[in-house]
Amino acid sequence: SQQGEEDPQALSIQEGENATMNCSYKTSINNLQWYRQNSGRGLVHLILIRSNEREKHSGRLRVTLDTSKKSSSLLITASRAADTASYFCATDTLAGGFKTIFGAGTRLFVKA
Amino acid sequence: DTGVSQDPRHKITKRGQNVTFRCDPISEHNRLYWYRQTLGQGPEFLTYFQNEAQLEKSRLLSDRFSAERPKGSFSTLEIQRTEQGDSAMYLCASSQGTGIDNEQFFGPGTRLTVL
Repeated sequence: SQQGEEDPQALSIQEGENATMNCSYKTSINNLQWYRQNSGRGLVHLILIRSNEREKHSGRLRVTLDTSKKSSSLLITASRAADTASYFCATDTLAGGFKTIFGAGTRLFVKA
Repeated sequence: DTGVSQDPRHKITKRGQNVTFRCDPISEHNRLYWYRQTLGQGPEFLTYFQNEAQLEKSRLLSDRFSAERPKGSFSTLEIQRTEQGDSAMYLCASSQGTGIDNEQFFGPGTRLTVL
């Protein structure tokens, strides 16, 4: 079963607006990653945040991690039509053996 | 292009047939992963290799599934006696390192359709 749960399942915004996606998970983790998937480029790694980090930035992306609440958020600022894609959080955990667990994803649609 | 490649990109087979997929990781990467993704869902972890050693297998991987990575380079995923429920996108990814940071680079996937 999937460990990560993304919220919302779908999000539609205007170009230039910010998009926030949330992820919750169940077990202890080593790190949490966000990936983007669209039909053109497949799954692409966006950013990794370690379990001992609370916030990380990369360009227009900002990721936060709250291990006490077992949750993370991904903020995309000044969205563009090209940001239209599905976004997945993925957790690396050693619980029960090493594995990477993906959530079901948030489908983002940015209207031009 | 030195990214992760997968072959074939599409496979249509009849129920009961065996299929084999190949993944060529980024050359210097020592870790290789297989995932299965169905429509509207995130990738589901199947198995993981560190070099040639298969270190982890999901309970999703029934006895009909087997994966190998001879010599720690390319990997194959075989599904025997395919069932309609095996229809999915099969994704391969690779990463470098032995630590906990694990940026995975994904291939384009093999889409399997079982009739």
